[in-house]
Amino acid sequence: DIQMTQSPSSVSASVGDRVTITCRASQPINSWLAWYQQKPGKAPKLVIYAASTLQSGVPSRFSGSGFGTDFTLTITSLQPEDFATYFCQQANHFPLTFGGGTKVEIK
Amino acid sequence: QVQLVESGGGVVQPGRSLRLSCAASGFHFSGYAMKWVRQAPGRGLEWVAYTSYDETNKYYADSVKGRFTISRDNSKNTLYLQMNSLRAEDTAVYYCVRVNTFADYWGQGTLVTVSS
Repeated sequence: DIQMTQSPSSVSASVGDRVTITCRASQPINSWLAWYQQKPGKAPKLVIYAASTLQSGVPSRFSGSGFGTDFTLTITSLQPEDFATYFCQQANHFPLTFGGGTKVEIK
Repeated sequence: QVQLVESGGGVVQPGRSLRLSCAASGFHFSGYAMKWVRQAPGRGLEWVAYTSYDETNKYYADSVKGRFTISRDNSKNTLYLQMNSLRAEDTAVYYCVRVNTFADYWGQGTLVTVSS
């Protein structure tokens, strides 16, 4: 199975800050990576797919990069509605696997 | 707009069965693969099962293989998850998810609690 290691597990930031979350796959997955945002009590929402493609309707302050084993989600100029938990997920191979999540909290 | 509405969750005793349903609308259901993803209380996300658009290909997480069965009725725009021999560790919110290469739409989830 492909293990997805996300870091950090939590980050405290202020409105306007730049936040970077990383995800590392235990073996190469090309660009078969997605990022999801989840708010408490709500279903996850797709933010980035294919490592770097912004899902329709998602603000351009979100961006993704990476290929192979190392990936990054960046939020520039953090907004109040961005405080949430973010998960990466690989879609290269079954079983599909998620990272452990990164909680973005208000400083 | 795309809607996925899960139902069938509840409290069930260990060893018993439960069937979840997911009613899909707002898109051509029979043209999309679908999957179930679960989330135990306060925990991360765990993929459970996947079916191709025509049920030709099905895959399961090791943790549910042999106990859970994913199926679909394209004439009713409905996805199912038959869960047998339930265990305490199956307690979670179960999400129905549309697969468009990646999981682009999620239902609101249905809570399954396995407890005596």
